[in-house]
Amino acid sequence: NAGVTQTPKFRILKIGQSMTLQCTQDMNHNYMYWYRQDPGMGLKLIYYSVGAGITDKGEVPNGYNVSRSTTEDFPLRLELAAPSQTSVYFCASSYSAGSSGEQYFGPGTRLTVT
Amino acid sequence: GQNIDQPTEMTATEGAIVQINCTYQTSGFNGLFWYQQHAGEAPTFLSYNVLDGLEEKGRFSSFLSRSKGYSYLLLKELQMKDSASYLCASEGDSNYQLIWGAGTKLIIKP
Repeated sequence: NAGVTQTPKFRILKIGQSMTLQCTQDMNHNYMYWYRQDPGMGLKLIYYSVGAGITDKGEVPNGYNVSRSTTEDFPLRLELAAPSQTSVYFCASSYSAGSSGEQYFGPGTRLTVT
Repeated sequence: GQNIDQPTEMTATEGAIVQINCTYQTSGFNGLFWYQQHAGEAPTFLSYNVLDGLEEKGRFSSFLSRSKGYSYLLLKELQMKDSASYLCASEGDSNYQLIWGAGTKLIIKP
């Protein structure tokens, strides 16, 4: 099993550009999450999904969009990139709901917006 | 408000014991998680406490006091590979969401 995979590993964007961060899991987990992690800060939840076709906002959703057309895939879309979106982005999945189940993380995408 | 507090950084000696504390104030509570995160890598699960008391798992133990909103992670027989950040997390606004502490960076010296 590959677990949770993310692409790309690194990306530099210019202000105003858009991109999609890919996330795939092969554990048949219903729950998936997108976090950002800024230096010296805790993980902040951007969006989450409880199953295919269902997504909801987390703490910091502004500037992002997600979709969940299959159980395996949960892409994160950045529209009109801003320097404030420079961060490390982690995708995660879990068998049970976030507050009661272990989350499995992908390796992360390091994004710089200049 | 919701908050999770942990020390920013701790230093310990190889072979010693270290205790990393975490205090939490969250709107809900299903339990408390500890994750380990090596520099430049993703967090990995260490422990999950729902009930009060100490749970031991090899060199790592985790303690929870629900009445005090307090947890700690105890690492014994420290090894250089234990140098990492340790994150605690608990339930946020819904049982789908976790609130994360900023992490405690643990530095192990020979």
